[in-house]
Amino acid sequence: GENVEQHPSTLSVQEGDSAVIKCTYSDSASNYFPWYKQELGKGPQLIIDIRSNVGEKKDQRIAVTLNKTAKHFSLHITETQPEDSAVYFCAASDSGSARQLTFGSGTQLTVLP
Amino acid sequence: NAGVTQTPKFQVLKTGQSMTLQCAQDMNHNSMYWYRQDPGMGLRLIYYSASEGTTDKGEVPNGYNVSRLNKREFSLRLESAAPSQTSVYFCASNARQRGGTDTQYFGPGTRLTVL
Repeated sequence: GENVEQHPSTLSVQEGDSAVIKCTYSDSASNYFPWYKQELGKGPQLIIDIRSNVGEKKDQRIAVTLNKTAKHFSLHITETQPEDSAVYFCAASDSGSARQLTFGSGTQLTVLP
Repeated sequence: NAGVTQTPKFQVLKTGQSMTLQCAQDMNHNSMYWYRQDPGMGLRLIYYSASEGTTDKGEVPNGYNVSRLNKREFSLRLESAAPSQTSVYFCASNARQRGGTDTQYFGPGTRLTVL
């Protein structure tokens, strides 16, 4: 089955700096890569996703890049703000009808004021 | 439109007790999922239901059973709780968007402690 590794497990940045979280996956059949943000005491919420036919996708201060050859994808957050502090999860999935996601272990991002 | 709701929010059980975690979604989604979240391990899929009337095992199904009661509701049952089942449980439902992109919507979670 799919295996997703995520690094780093914790990340502290100064407000206004950029943050990068990296994930690798093992199954070459995976073609869908979402990123979730989980705030304390809440369920994960989708913030951005990318499909395997695209190399990069941006949404305001958030961007995701995908390298299919190397089987890794990354989340980039620019101009970080205190409200970006949360746990971020990457995930990978193939195109099966039930879209089973395999999650990374999570990154605790802390943005210091 | 409440999205995905879960009950209860918190539960403490003794070893060997049974309980059912309830989940409902009002978004008319076909697929529903149960995950458990443990420190340092991300979210792991317990069971999923691709559509009403079908259920399948995920990565960690042992000790659990599920029922897809109708399109809205997907319950998770622990028949004989064990301390290893202490975790936070999340239910999710899936909407396939135009172009094949999927979005899984998560509930707020149930925090279960087994003593």
